[in-house]
Amino acid sequence: QKEVEQNSGPLSVPEGAIASLNCTYSDRVSQSFFWYRQYSGKSPELIMSIYSNGDKEDGRFTAQLNKASQYVSLLIRDSQPSDSATYLCAVNNPILTGGGNKLTFGTGTQLKVEL
Amino acid sequence: EPEVTQTPSHQVTQMGQEVILRCVPISNHLYFYWYRQILGQKVEFLVSFYNNEISEKSEIFDDQFSVERPDGSNFTLKIRSTKLEDSAMYFCASSLSQGDWTEAFFGQGTRLTVV
Repeated sequence: QKEVEQNSGPLSVPEGAIASLNCTYSDRVSQSFFWYRQYSGKSPELIMSIYSNGDKEDGRFTAQLNKASQYVSLLIRDSQPSDSATYLCAVNNPILTGGGNKLTFGTGTQLKVEL
Repeated sequence: EPEVTQTPSHQVTQMGQEVILRCVPISNHLYFYWYRQILGQKVEFLVSFYNNEISEKSEIFDDQFSVERPDGSNFTLKIRSTKLEDSAMYFCASSLSQGDWTEAFFGQGTRLTVV
């Protein structure tokens, strides 16, 4: 059973601070990883993807991947109240016969950015 | 910006009734998926669909479920005889290609309530 683990939170940070969200995964052969943001009652919205070890930056977001430790993280700089949401870590598993991909999601970390 | 659209946004049905959830994937995408999220729980993979065939399904996707692409644009999920435990948000997603570097985009979801 492939697992993706996240601390459910809530993680509270003051406005303007750096929020750090973490995720571990069990399947050592996984190659691609995604962070989705989900507002309450809404659908997952893709914010970052990462495939190589190291850091990947996109605006205020930085994804970090360490395949040896099976660890993915998301940093949000200059956190804003609008960043308050649940952040879902997802691991991609290609479907070898027939095509497509299957995402395994963590439970998500609830982030609260306080004024 | 292209998006995945789902209808209806909310469906209430009586236990034992059939429901059909509808999705219009992004127009040039080739791979289609259904996921569901029971309230307060993880987003879970149900099924992937490519070239008019199911390429993979989860153990949740039993004989009560079926998918179809009846024309060039729609992708549907049918639940034949709904149960109380089918109450959840159902998300349709699509991706352009397969492989580790493929990003999946989600529709806004259909909230299914079985009473």
